[in-house]
Amino acid sequence: AQKVTQAQTEISVVEKEDVTLDCVYETRDTTYYLFWYKQPPSGELVFLIRRNSFDEQNEISGRYSWNFQKSTSSFNFTITASQVVDSAVYFCALSLNSGGYQKVTFGTGTKLQVIP
Amino acid sequence: SQTIHQWPATLVQPVGSPLSLECTVEGTSNPNLYWYRQAAGRGLQLLFYSVGIGQISSEVPQNLSASRPQDRQFILSSKKLLLSDSGFYLCAWRPGIPNLPLHFGNGTRLTVT
Repeated sequence: AQKVTQAQTEISVVEKEDVTLDCVYETRDTTYYLFWYKQPPSGELVFLIRRNSFDEQNEISGRYSWNFQKSTSSFNFTITASQVVDSAVYFCALSLNSGGYQKVTFGTGTKLQVIP
Repeated sequence: SQTIHQWPATLVQPVGSPLSLECTVEGTSNPNLYWYRQAAGRGLQLLFYSVGIGQISSEVPQNLSASRPQDRQFILSSKKLLLSDSGFYLCAWRPGIPNLPLHFGNGTRLTVT
């Protein structure tokens, strides 16, 4: 069985603060992919990043960075110097093969509010 | 470039009425298609997925059904809506190549009254 846990339901930070969104996953597969998506108030989900299970290198993209640690089954997302436009719900997702089909399981999301 | 269209954006329907939500993808062929539901304050629940025309798999048994009459068209239906069907419905697609990200439509907010 596969599972994604985002324990933080809601987070509020003041603009320019750094914030880390936690994601813990469970799977017995050795090959899998992890994703982060952003859902702004308008509702559509926007893909942010994909990471495969064999690549534990951390990644930085502008103010965004991701820390993948297989030892703790975590794939955390940090926003540096947060901005109001970062306010959204963020979803972590796990994808792996399930009977020839790519099954994607999402966490329950973390709602981030950045206060100006 | 590929685009996904989903409509309507909002819908208010009485209990017991039928439902039809449509999703189409442009700019690609033989996509994998998905229907997700997001209940208020909760995560995304996979309802149906399709790897080809007429091929539909259900993740959650309920009074909803899905059909794929054409390669890039995915329809979510119900004969009789329940109050519990209220939610935000999202269509998504991905290429047939494994483990590429999902791309979502703008969603349909359904309220069953």
